Amino acid sequence: KAGVTQTPRYLIKTRGQQVTLSCSPISGHRSVSWYQQTPGQGLQFLFEYFSETQRNKGNFPGRFSGRQFSNSRSEMNVSTLELGDSALYLCASSSTTAGNTIYFGEGSWLTVV
Amino acid sequence: GENVEQHPSTLSVQEGDSAVIKCTYSDSASNYFPWYKQELGKRPQLIIDIRSNVGEKKDQRIAVTLNKTAKHFSLHITETQPEDSAVYFCAAEDTTGNQFYFGTGTSLTVIP
Repeated sequence: KAGVTQTPRYLIKTRGQQVTLSCSPISGHRSVSWYQQTPGQGLQFLFEYFSETQRNKGNFPGRFSGRQFSNSRSEMNVSTLELGDSALYLCASSSTTAGNTIYFGEGSWLTVV
Repeated sequence: GENVEQHPSTLSVQEGDSAVIKCTYSDSASNYFPWYKQELGKRPQLIIDIRSNVGEKKDQRIAVTLNKTAKHFSLHITETQPEDSAVYFCAAEDTTGNQFYFGTGTSLTVIP
């Protein structure tokens, strides 16, 4: 099976712009979650989607949003970018619900200048 | 919500020695605890996991122990090799089953 695929891998944006990141889960996986990884804060949960519904959301401002499509692919969007949004954004997928392993993609490296 | 603490933040060992990384969690209802290894510039990859109905699990040179009463779990790597050098993250699953709380990571260096 192909792994979790994220695009783009690297991008540079200017403060105030917005960005959209894409994630294709492992085939058959219906749960997609997003994490922000920074050197100081580690891995922080952003949100999780299952069957196109957001089931859980982390403690991030409303500038961070996401969605999931009927084919389980997911996107996350960050509006009005700030310097502090520079991070590695990781998408993870799992098959269903509790107790299932999540598998990470390679991530999207976002730099805000 | 859940809070996961991980120690130490950095660890250096001689090749062939053992390495131990410890994590504590706050939510006694958490039931699933995976460990991930992240090499520089790569994705976190699952190396071992444990569920609350098991006290210990072993996979070749890697083992994880869980003490539910004390709310802590540990990763043990024996006979370390240079390729074990990486950042290791522990995690605890939220009781809703929809998110994971991660420790802040341990940077392990195995000195040849």
